[in-house]
Amino acid sequence: DVKVTQSSRYLVKRTGEKVFLECVQDMDHENMFWYRQDPGLGLRLIYFSYDVKMKEKGDIPEGYSVSREKKERFSLILESASTNQTSMYLCASSTPGLISGNTIYFGEGSWLTVV
Amino acid sequence: AQKVTQAQTEISVVEKEDVTLDCVYETRDTTYYLFWYKQPPSGELVFLIRRNSFDEQNEISGRYSWNFQKSTSSFNFTITASQVVDSAVYFCALSAGYIPTFGRGTSLIVHP
Repeated sequence: DVKVTQSSRYLVKRTGEKVFLECVQDMDHENMFWYRQDPGLGLRLIYFSYDVKMKEKGDIPEGYSVSREKKERFSLILESASTNQTSMYLCASSTPGLISGNTIYFGEGSWLTVV
Repeated sequence: AQKVTQAQTEISVVEKEDVTLDCVYETRDTTYYLFWYKQPPSGELVFLIRRNSFDEQNEISGRYSWNFQKSTSSFNFTITASQVVDSAVYFCALSAGYIPTFGRGTSLIVHP
């Protein structure tokens, strides 16, 4: 089974803190993603990475950065957390191209509250 | 540009009722994949099905069935004899490359 593991399920951080959300996948997938999920807005892509050290901005990258130093690990960084970043964050991974149909596998999510 | 519309924000049914979740998509690509995911209250999105654009055959898996119609750009999901455990948010998604496009989800509540 594909396993995408997010290091923290529930976090409470203070405004202005630097926050790291870690994600690890065990399927040797090239692509990794960070999504944010808010009620009524569905899933919004923050960043994705198609290879080690490669990253592309998604729909809502402002206030976030990412790091991918190893193929299996993709980190989301909130440089200075703000209350409007309180949300559920989902990490995902997939193989590239159309051969596999780009099935995306998700982690369990990280619920972040910024106070 | 790709777009996925799940017009039903929330559906409420009583156990054992059949329920259909609608998904309408837009894409200019001729090769693409469609997906359904289930998100229970625990939070993890669970992959349910993938269908490619060249295969319009309907699929059934237990109480779940999917109806793909290219003529109407729809990929609807039906749960037969719903159960309380089916309560979740269901997402439809479309992928023609690296980046899938998700609908906003339909929240299904099944009452005992």
